[in-house]
Amino acid sequence: SSELTQDPSVSVALGQTVRITCQGDTLRTYYANWYQQKPGRAPVLVIYGKNKRPSGIPDRFSGSDSGHTASLTITGAQAEDEADYYCNSRDSSGKHWVFGRGTKLTVL
Amino acid sequence: QITLKESGPTLVKPTQTLTLTCTFSGFSLSSSGVAVGWIRQPPGKALEWLSVVYWDDDKAYSPSLEGRLTITKDTSRNQVVLTMTNMDPADTGTYFCAFRSTLGDVFDMWGQGTMVIVSS
Repeated sequence: SSELTQDPSVSVALGQTVRITCQGDTLRTYYANWYQQKPGRAPVLVIYGKNKRPSGIPDRFSGSDSGHTASLTITGAQAEDEADYYCNSRDSSGKHWVFGRGTKLTVL
Repeated sequence: QITLKESGPTLVKPTQTLTLTCTFSGFSLSSSGVAVGWIRQPPGKALEWLSVVYWDDDKAYSPSLEGRLTITKDTSRNQVVLTMTNMDPADTGTYFCAFRSTLGDVFDMWGQGTMVIVSS
């Protein structure tokens, strides 16, 4: 299967650490990318490849991989981190992309 | 500075063909390794990848929508056009174009998106 599975929602207390996971068979072969999307806005890339952060993304965002699971960790979550987070990778053919169904992060 | 902007009709009728244009600046789609893709998002739902065109004119389509989609690039005009035939109300949503640079195998810059409503 080329599906990417994410928990629908996760919550974290302000300033605490939260991990958002993405599971899929293709993650054994391909890295996951992570996007943050706030209401009414386009997605913003926060982590790509092997734990790489685009310019301008705070270093509290990090990524990791283990087997068929990719994780996005926010260390010291801030109020502005409240958003939907999507993982994205290649499918089993390597020609197409797939997205997870997204995880809604609530910062309490 | 890289920018992308989607344009097209806001309202289309069922069975009609949708034509969306992505106009970009700050890069050339003839540069080795780059690509432009389309992704959509129904209201309140997840992102769905649709199609991509590469600098060498290689193309790929979502298996679930292949047959309805056609993607083309016009390098001289800095545009990528996506057509989707036989539109259905289930195709309602925001359509984004996005740029894959040589940063990695990832769409690292996105347009603001354009809303498309399919209704009679």
